[in-house]
Amino acid sequence: AQSVAQPEDQVNVAEGNPLTVKCTYSVSGNPYLFWYVQYPNRGLQFLLKYITGDNLVKGSYGFEAEFNKSQTSFHLKKPSALVSDSALYFCAVRANYGGSQGNLIFGKGTKLSVKP
Amino acid sequence: GAGVSQSPRYKVAKRGQDVALRCDPISGHVSLFWYQQALGQGPEFLTYFQNEAQLDKSGLPSDRFFAERPEGSVSTLKIQRTQQEDSAVYLCASSLVGRGFVAKNIQYFGAGTRLSVL
Repeated sequence: AQSVAQPEDQVNVAEGNPLTVKCTYSVSGNPYLFWYVQYPNRGLQFLLKYITGDNLVKGSYGFEAEFNKSQTSFHLKKPSALVSDSALYFCAVRANYGGSQGNLIFGKGTKLSVKP
Repeated sequence: GAGVSQSPRYKVAKRGQDVALRCDPISGHVSLFWYQQALGQGPEFLTYFQNEAQLDKSGLPSDRFFAERPEGSVSTLKIQRTQQEDSAVYLCASSLVGRGFVAKNIQYFGAGTRLSVL
């Protein structure tokens, strides 16, 4: 089955500290992975994607994600968190086979709370 | 427009009413997706259009759900005889290329329509 797991419902960090939001995936073939952020009453905003190449992907707003094939993980990271980073974060994988090939399969989301 | 536009932003319907939700994708985008996001969950795929062709409707939960994109641009998601379990945020996304492509395939989302069925 093709799926994404975000094991943490919520992550709390202090402003200025590094943050990590975890994501693991299950998909056949090459994984194509995405991170989106959702602010209240707004749609999902694309942060970054992994297609191929370097395992460390850099994206918008200082975020990066590390692809680890052996651990089937794609954790989102940022060296220094800002209060304005507080939002809901979704990891997604592209479906690689079947009639829905090309669709995105999302995790259930992780709420990031950054305190001053 | 600069992004994907959805209307209305909020819709309250009485059980049994029909509703229509509109999506205006980014100009020139080939692909259009509809997702349903229940409270506390990630978006779940409903249906996919490539231009005006509805190529995948495997995620539509029942035959009360119907979507169209007659001219390959604006799309409408219609829900007939709404039920309480239809309450959710309905998200529309568009992409420059067909979903079969991997490169350049980023889905851009609208703000969604929050449907509440009483």
